[in-house]
Amino acid sequence: EPEVTQTPSHQVTQMGQEVILRCVPISNHLYFYWYRQILGQKVEFLVSFYNNEISEKSEIFDDQFSVERPDGSNFTLKIRSTKLEDSAMYFCASTYEGRGSYEQYFGPGTRLTVT
Amino acid sequence: AQKITQTQPGMFVQEKEAVTLDCTYDTSDPSYGLFWYKQPSSGEMIFLIYQGSYDQQNATEGRYSLNFQKARKSANLVISASQLGDSAMYFCAMRRDGAGSYQLTFGKGTKLSVIP
Repeated sequence: EPEVTQTPSHQVTQMGQEVILRCVPISNHLYFYWYRQILGQKVEFLVSFYNNEISEKSEIFDDQFSVERPDGSNFTLKIRSTKLEDSAMYFCASTYEGRGSYEQYFGPGTRLTVT
Repeated sequence: AQKITQTQPGMFVQEKEAVTLDCTYDTSDPSYGLFWYKQPSSGEMIFLIYQGSYDQQNATEGRYSLNFQKARKSANLVISASQLGDSAMYFCAMRRDGAGSYQLTFGKGTKLSVIP
């Protein structure tokens, strides 16, 4: 069964450093998302990406965040200058069609720890 | 804006018994989708079941069924014949279908523990 993959599984970085989280969505999917989950809390939407551009972003997704789909397969989330409060699990998700019964397939997540 | 409320932070159920996890939602959109995801201790998000707002029948997927009461804005998950492997966090989520990017809005989750 096709799956969303994410690398790395765990990233430790120092405050102020840049990190890039990588995702490979399912190949024929058209909608891509990043979510985050702070430990013990609910999953929160960060940004959605469709047709090679951001379609919507949450208030969490400030100027420190950016997304790219550089080569038609990878989907990356960059945090320019990490803060302690960026420590969380980051999930990439993709779906073929936004509406209807099409589920969003989630990757296994990248646990980001900012020290 | 959409809102999902899960009022049960934790639930216990005896193995082989059925359990209902509550979910209420709030939206002004006429068209939306409701989802349940399971998150085991390993952390991944596993899709369980989907219900569309215009679906006449309650969704079922194996041991999972969704008790959809549109007028009450509730979408409770029923797990029949609980198994030890059902112990996990369960998240209810909603997707707005009218326009936009179709992102999911999640509730805070319910931690289910299955007792042998």
